[in-house]
Amino acid sequence: KQEVTQIPAALSVPEGENLVLNCSFTDSAIYNLQWFRQDPGKGLTSLLLIQSSQREQTSGRLNASLDKSSGRSTLYIAASQPGDSATYLCARGGGSSNTGKLIFGQGTTLQVKP
Amino acid sequence: GAGVSQSPSNKVTEKGKDVELRCDPISGHTALYWYRQSLGQGLEFLIYFQGNSAPDKSGLPSDRFSAERTGGSVSTLTIQRTQQEDSAVYLCASSLYSSGANVLTFGAGSRLTVL
Repeated sequence: KQEVTQIPAALSVPEGENLVLNCSFTDSAIYNLQWFRQDPGKGLTSLLLIQSSQREQTSGRLNASLDKSSGRSTLYIAASQPGDSATYLCARGGGSSNTGKLIFGQGTTLQVKP
Repeated sequence: GAGVSQSPSNKVTEKGKDVELRCDPISGHTALYWYRQSLGQGLEFLIYFQGNSAPDKSGLPSDRFSAERTGGSVSTLTIQRTQQEDSAVYLCASSLYSSGANVLTFGAGSRLTVL
């Protein structure tokens, strides 16, 4: 079964702290790994996409890494802000072919306190 | 349009009724995906379209669920004889192509409540 696990399920930090969200997957033969953000009652916003040939991607204060051999990805958020409060979802490219079909983790709900 | 549009945003229906959910993808996006997000289940893949054909419909939970896409654009997800366990947020996404190299853009979702 192509499972995706995210730890922790919830996280609360004070503003300004650097933090790491973890994602693990069972099948190392992935095509890509994506990180999304979901605000309450809203859809998903794509944050970073890492292709299987890449090891990391950066966007502003966000950095995502991919280690296929260990089946892990991390999302690093630097200098967290209250506006970063949301649920963060990782998803691996799933299926037997290279399609956009994604298998999602359960998400980590982040609260950044002012 | 500028983003992926879904309608209705909220739908409350009685058990046994049929419902239709609509997705209008980003103009020019050839691939379209339907996902379902329910409490305790996370996001589950339902079906995806490349153009008007559906190469992968493996996630449809039962034969009460069907989807179509016409003109390579708008898609409709139909749930017949709705059950309470169908209550969820149904999310649609589109991408330029269906390869894994493409980022998916999601709509805000249609929240379905079956009484």
